[in-house]
Amino acid sequence: GAVVSQHPSRVICKSGTSVKIECRSLDFQATTMFWYRQFPKKSLMLMATSNEGSKATYEQGVEKDKFLINHASLTLSTLTVTSAHPEDSSFYICSAITGTSETQYFGPGTRLLVL
Amino acid sequence: QKEVEQNSGPLSVPEGAIASLNCTYSDRGSQSFFWYRQYSGKSPELIMFIYSNGDKEDGRFTAQLNKASQYVSLLIRDSQPSDSATYLCAVNTNAGKSTFGDGTTLTVKP
Repeated sequence: GAVVSQHPSRVICKSGTSVKIECRSLDFQATTMFWYRQFPKKSLMLMATSNEGSKATYEQGVEKDKFLINHASLTLSTLTVTSAHPEDSSFYICSAITGTSETQYFGPGTRLLVL
Repeated sequence: QKEVEQNSGPLSVPEGAIASLNCTYSDRGSQSFFWYRQYSGKSPELIMFIYSNGDKEDGRFTAQLNKASQYVSLLIRDSQPSDSATYLCAVNTNAGKSTFGDGTTLTVKP
């Protein structure tokens, strides 16, 4: 149980384009989803917390107009990287929790390369 | 000072030995503590969590928590080459968000 999927797993795009990443909880309802970014040999940096039906809460230093998060249902959250630039190239990982549990279930991640 | 600190390693142990991974945290209000394993190029997977002072055992893994010292550790007994990975310590505050350490890279040599 507690499976989280992400799509796409890998994406290459040109600078200036927008990229949408989907995060789905397959067998449970995710009350909260988290979006992380991870650079090589670095730890996970929380970008934002997403609750179903409400606006995402962004961490300090994360541009909410650049990283658009939508959590339209209890099983789906999306992250859109708008006007992507090479410095946005990273490994983006979502996680989900359900109810009062603090255990995060991670998606497999999306590797973004902006040329 | 980082909120969650881990030795980056690499930590190298022979197969069958005990691997000891350490983590310290700065926020005394932290409530929950997690250990994740991350293989290269993959996302983290939960190994175990601990909420109370003392030891918690799950198979070959033992988590140890000492809130007074703001210290949490993970012991891996009978280490196997498949345990070679980066181990991430994560700490939750009352807000429920996780703060991750930079991870310790473990290599188990056959």
